[in-house]
Amino acid sequence: SYELTQPLSLSVAPGQTVTIICEGNNIANKNVHWYQQKSGQAPVLVFSTKSSHSSVIAERFSVSESGDTATLSISKAQVGDEADYYCQVWDSGTLVFGPGTKVTVL
Amino acid sequence: QVRLVESGGGLVKPGGSLRLSCVASGFTFSDFYMTWIRQAPGKGLEWLSYIGRSGGSISYADSVKGRFTISRDNAANSVYLQMSSLRVEDTAMYYCARVQLWSGDFWGQGIPVTVSS
Repeated sequence: SYELTQPLSLSVAPGQTVTIICEGNNIANKNVHWYQQKSGQAPVLVFSTKSSHSSVIAERFSVSESGDTATLSISKAQVGDEADYYCQVWDSGTLVFGPGTKVTVL
Repeated sequence: QVRLVESGGGLVKPGGSLRLSCVASGFTFSDFYMTWIRQAPGKGLEWLSYIGRSGGSISYADSVKGRFTISRDNAANSVYLQMSSLRVEDTAMYYCARVQLWSGDFWGQGIPVTVSS
């Protein structure tokens, strides 16, 4: 079965840029979806790499992919960006989520 | 606006059953696949199942195959998850979501399910 890996946690200073990596076999060939989940809330889709979806919060967010790596970058990080971030792809009839990355802004 | 509201969660004993419902509004329900996803306490997201627009395309995660059944009623704008033979490890927040390009583009707020004796 297809597997995705992400770093467990990252920290970033306010105003700086943080990049979250999601790794999977040939992930650049897939549509990678990124979700933000703030504490106590449902996940929100913030970006899809190969579609036009981007949420209203996405102007500081950007994505890229190459080979086995997809990334979500958050520029000018704000305290309000503190959340868990999950990548997700569709593979062989299933939705596959990465383990999530906790981003702390401090 | 798109709205998804789950119901039917609660406390159930191991081996018991529960039926979750998700009522949709704000979009043409029959135009979209729907999916269920769960999150155990302090853990990540786990996809469980999806169902096609007319109910003819269904898939399950191995962890719930044979125990959970997804269904939908387009006339009622609802998707369901019948859960049986519940285990302690099924304890989680359960979310329904609309499927768009194989992502969950809109999610409900979730409903907690606790399996405990």
